[in-house]
Amino acid sequence: QVQLVESGGGLVKPGGSLRLSCAASGFIFSDYHMSWIRQAPGKGLEWVSYITTTGSNTNYADSVKGRFTISRDNAKNSLYLQMNSLRAEDTAVYYCARGRYSSTVGGQGTLVTVSS
Amino acid sequence: QSALTQPASVSGSPGQSITISCTGTSSDIGAYTYVSWYQQHPGKAPKLIIYDVSKRPSGVSNRFSGSKSGNTASLTISGLQAEDEADYYCGSYTTSSTLVFGGGTKLTV
Repeated sequence: QVQLVESGGGLVKPGGSLRLSCAASGFIFSDYHMSWIRQAPGKGLEWVSYITTTGSNTNYADSVKGRFTISRDNAKNSLYLQMNSLRAEDTAVYYCARGRYSSTVGGQGTLVTVSS
Repeated sequence: QSALTQPASVSGSPGQSITISCTGTSSDIGAYTYVSWYQQHPGKAPKLIIYDVSKRPSGVSNRFSGSKSGNTASLTISGLQAEDEADYYCGSYTTSSTLVFGGGTKLTV
């Protein structure tokens, strides 16, 4: 069973930084592209970023490009999202997801709140 | 990248069938067979129920089916059950190598 446990969320001031982590289990992590998706309170799903199996290729939504960086450590079965220059509009539950062309979410997400 | 277009709400009675549409463009739905659908109950994480247009992950009921024609994808739920009441989102891979979601459809049973 796919398990993805997100952590690292919290309250941060505008302009601040956070690093989200995702611990994966139940599948061969290094065999899968991975993604982050987010959901603002009361809103729909928004794709944020993906990274390929080896980390050689990444892509980002225009809304976070230049501010967020996705990375992975296959030896640790872990996915990361470094978020800099955070804005109020980045407030959301962030989900770690398996896949690039679709998203298998395996956890409850981590809440990021950007507020002064 | 603009969001895919879904109806805001649909409703049906137990036992009936309903279809949710998802309209995109030739740069997303029309470009690939990478259409996915997600079910989300209140306060819960989204659950993948259809991928690659019409494939179901292990454990997903065969009452859920997906299809695509041109730039429009559809999710059909047959034999509606009370537990199907949830929000449903479509998603598509795009020619920009991004993933785009629809705005969501609230299903009332």
